[in-house]
Amino acid sequence: GENVEQHPSTLSVQEGDSAVIKCTYSDSASNYFPWYKQELGKGPQLIIDIRSNVGEKKDQRIAVTLNKTAKHFSLHITETQPEDSAVYFCAARSQGNLIFGKGTKLSVKP
Amino acid sequence: GAGVSQSPRYKVAKRGQDVALRCDPISGHVSLFWYQQALGQGPEFLTYFQNEAQLDKSGLPSDRFFAERPEGSVSTLKIQRTQQEDSAVYLCASSLMGVAGGIYEQYFGPGTRLTVT
Repeated sequence: GENVEQHPSTLSVQEGDSAVIKCTYSDSASNYFPWYKQELGKGPQLIIDIRSNVGEKKDQRIAVTLNKTAKHFSLHITETQPEDSAVYFCAARSQGNLIFGKGTKLSVKP
Repeated sequence: GAGVSQSPRYKVAKRGQDVALRCDPISGHVSLFWYQQALGQGPEFLTYFQNEAQLDKSGLPSDRFFAERPEGSVSTLKIQRTQQEDSAVYLCASSLMGVAGGIYEQYFGPGTRLTVT
């Protein structure tokens, strides 16, 4: 079955810097790759996603890139703000279900 | 509009008790998923409904776990004879279409934190 690896597990940046989180997946049939932001005590919130027929997608300060050949995808956050601090999860859609990475705890220091 | 809601938000059960966790999906959403999230981990798939049909229950960890969605809307996850290893956050997500429908976005509820003592 699908396996998703996510790195790094923790990331600390200064406000205004960029943050990059990387994920790899194993199942070449996976066709949809969402990113979720989870704040303490809340459920995961969908922040951006990308389908397998697209290489890059951008939404304001957030962008996602996908390399199907290498089976990896990345989340890029520019001009980070303290409110970006949270745990971020990548996921891959395999046979209808989402398989999640273990998460990255992002801390943005003011 | 209203998102996915779950109740209770917190549940403490003594080992051996039965619990029932409720999920109200976004109105009109065909697909409903249950996930289990252990502390410090990503959500793990438990089961999937398309309307009232349970099409995939491959992630349920044991026969003590049972889920239903009798009218294709509200769903209940039941855990019988709870064990300490069942302690986790149980998340529900809904999606507008079935898995073959081409719309893949899943929207999550706030979760129910279950603690088994």
